[in-house]
Amino acid sequence: AQTVTQSQPEMSVQEAETVTLSCTYDTSESDYYLFWYKQPPSRQMILVIRQEAYKQQNATENRFSVNFQKAAKSFSLKISDSQLGDAAMYFCAYRRGNYGQNFVFGPGTRLSVLP
Amino acid sequence: GAVVSQHPSWVICKSGTSVKIECRSLDFQATTMFWYRQFPKQSLMLMATSNEGSKATYEQGVEKDKFLINHASLTLSTLTVTSAHPEDSSFYICSARRGPNTQYFGPGTRLTVL
Repeated sequence: AQTVTQSQPEMSVQEAETVTLSCTYDTSESDYYLFWYKQPPSRQMILVIRQEAYKQQNATENRFSVNFQKAAKSFSLKISDSQLGDAAMYFCAYRRGNYGQNFVFGPGTRLSVLP
Repeated sequence: GAVVSQHPSWVICKSGTSVKIECRSLDFQATTMFWYRQFPKQSLMLMATSNEGSKATYEQGVEKDKFLINHASLTLSTLTVTSAHPEDSSFYICSARRGPNTQYFGPGTRLTVL
């Protein structure tokens, strides 16, 4: 079974600074996707970024980027120029590449942004 | 963009009663929907996979007779918590698959059983 680990239950960052959230996963599959989801107090899950395992290039979405180390099974999220609205729970998630598979979520990291 | 809705957004019920939660894909057809449960300060855990026109597939440890799932149309899946008890109080989130590689989450339903 696939597992996702986030070793940082809580993190904080100063506004406008950069923070990196860690994620490791375990799988024997070769075809899979990795995601970072943000869950603000509203509880709505918001997709931040996604990475296809077959792509070597790290995904980037504006201020959000990932460091995907496939051999190490590591998938960290870097948030640059942190904003107050970035404060939320962040979940790392894994999904097998097979058609229509479910997500496996990590335990989450609560990010606080300090003004 | 694609939207998935859930109804109700919150519900309070008495112990022993049944509660139905709806998950709808508003602008696309979803042959597969997933139901997750999230306890306070915890992550999302998959409960079951709902396929249109067939029986749901439940994860180990999830009682299928207690959590009834019906995916009767391509835009609607329902989760019924039967004979609810306080330990069933949780946040229930659905997601709907659009195409092979895209899923969208609903806003969730907070269930409180007194």
